[in-house]
Amino acid sequence: TQLLEQSPQFLSIQEGENLTVYCNSSSVFSSLQWYRQEPGEGPVLLVTVVTGGEVKKLKRLTFQFGDARKDSSLHITAAQPGDTGLYLCAGLNTGGFKTIFGAGTRLFVKA
Amino acid sequence: GAGVSQTPSNKVTEKGKYVELRCDPISGHTALYWYRQSLGQGPEFLIYFQGTGAADDSGLPNDRFFAVRPEGSVSTLKIQRTERGDSAVYLCASSLGVADYYEQYFGPGTRLTVT
Repeated sequence: TQLLEQSPQFLSIQEGENLTVYCNSSSVFSSLQWYRQEPGEGPVLLVTVVTGGEVKKLKRLTFQFGDARKDSSLHITAAQPGDTGLYLCAGLNTGGFKTIFGAGTRLFVKA
Repeated sequence: GAGVSQTPSNKVTEKGKYVELRCDPISGHTALYWYRQSLGQGPEFLIYFQGTGAADDSGLPNDRFFAVRPEGSVSTLKIQRTERGDSAVYLCASSLGVADYYEQYFGPGTRLTVT
């Protein structure tokens, strides 16, 4: 069974601070995705990383896929209250239809 | 344009009852997925449709759960003899096709509470 472990589970920081959340697995995935979920809504895709070692940037968010394609990280620079939410990583295999989600990191950014 | 919609948004039912949860995907999306999200957890894959057929139902927990998509658009997730452990948010997603480069668009979910 493929599992994705996310850490930390919960993070509360002040506005302006930097943070990194991690997504780890013992399995190799063909790609990894990061989603953000707000209360009462479904997850919204932020990024897909496909190549081992790949780094993608989305404004203040930097995503990295591990060289072995088993892990990923999300780094947020100068966090803002609007970044508050549940961040989920998800792994896909070749064929791409069965998505395995981690349990998520709940981020709270205080003004 | 309209996103994925799910009805009802909330459903409270008694243990042992039958429930149906509906998903309206984005028009033109051929792939449709059902997930279940329990409190404090990420979404858990249940079943995936490509067109009208269930391409993979390996995530359905047992034979009390069944899903259909008769015309390749709207899908219904059916749960028989509900149990308290079925309480969760049931999410539906759709995508243009199957592959990791086709984004899945999620609906807001149906919160099911079994009392």
